[in-house]
Amino acid sequence: GEDVEQSLFLSVREGDSSVINCTYTDSSSTYLYWYKQEPGAGLQLLTYIFSNMDMKQDQRLTVLLNKKDKHLSLRIADTQTGDSAIYFCAEGITGGGNKLTFGTGTQLKVEL
Amino acid sequence: NAGVTQTPKFQVLKTGQSMTLQCAQDMNHEYMSWYRQDPGMGLRLIHYSVGAGITDQGEVPNGYNVSRSTTEDFPLRLLSAAPSQTSVYFCASSYDRLTQYFGPGTRLLVL
Repeated sequence: GEDVEQSLFLSVREGDSSVINCTYTDSSSTYLYWYKQEPGAGLQLLTYIFSNMDMKQDQRLTVLLNKKDKHLSLRIADTQTGDSAIYFCAEGITGGGNKLTFGTGTQLKVEL
Repeated sequence: NAGVTQTPKFQVLKTGQSMTLQCAQDMNHEYMSWYRQDPGMGLRLIHYSVGAGITDQGEVPNGYNVSRSTTEDFPLRLLSAAPSQTSVYFCASSYDRLTQYFGPGTRLLVL
């Protein structure tokens, strides 16, 4: 079955790095995603990584994938107050439409 | 482009009432999906469509119907609303099955 788990809450100081973790169970996942949701808004795709990659970097964002342990992480460098939001990881498989399985979300709070 | 639009933004229904949540996209995306978001449960897929005239069930389809008569529109119908359908509903579209664009959501309260 498919199950994606995340810790519920993370608090960091402005300027520090944030690391949000996610574990998944479906070994057939082709892509893994990170979405950001600000209060009252929809989900914004931040980045995604193909399952045959170990790492992907995009400006302040670094995604690490450990396929053996089915562990995905999102590192945000120099975290800003504007990064405060809920972050969802999701796994998807190709074929059969856009079936994404989402985690429960991690609420990131950035303190001054 | 307006992207993915959803109406209404907020709706209150009584148990047993019916309604349609509207979703439209102007990006000519073939793939569209409906999710519901509940506290502590992430997003769950209700129905999806890979193109006009084609729909399929997701993880939690019971109590919901969809149709896809055009590429642009993907309405979600609640035939007889129940309190368990109180949720935030998100519509999403995609051109490559990989990157989904989400609408702003519809908050539904069923009394």
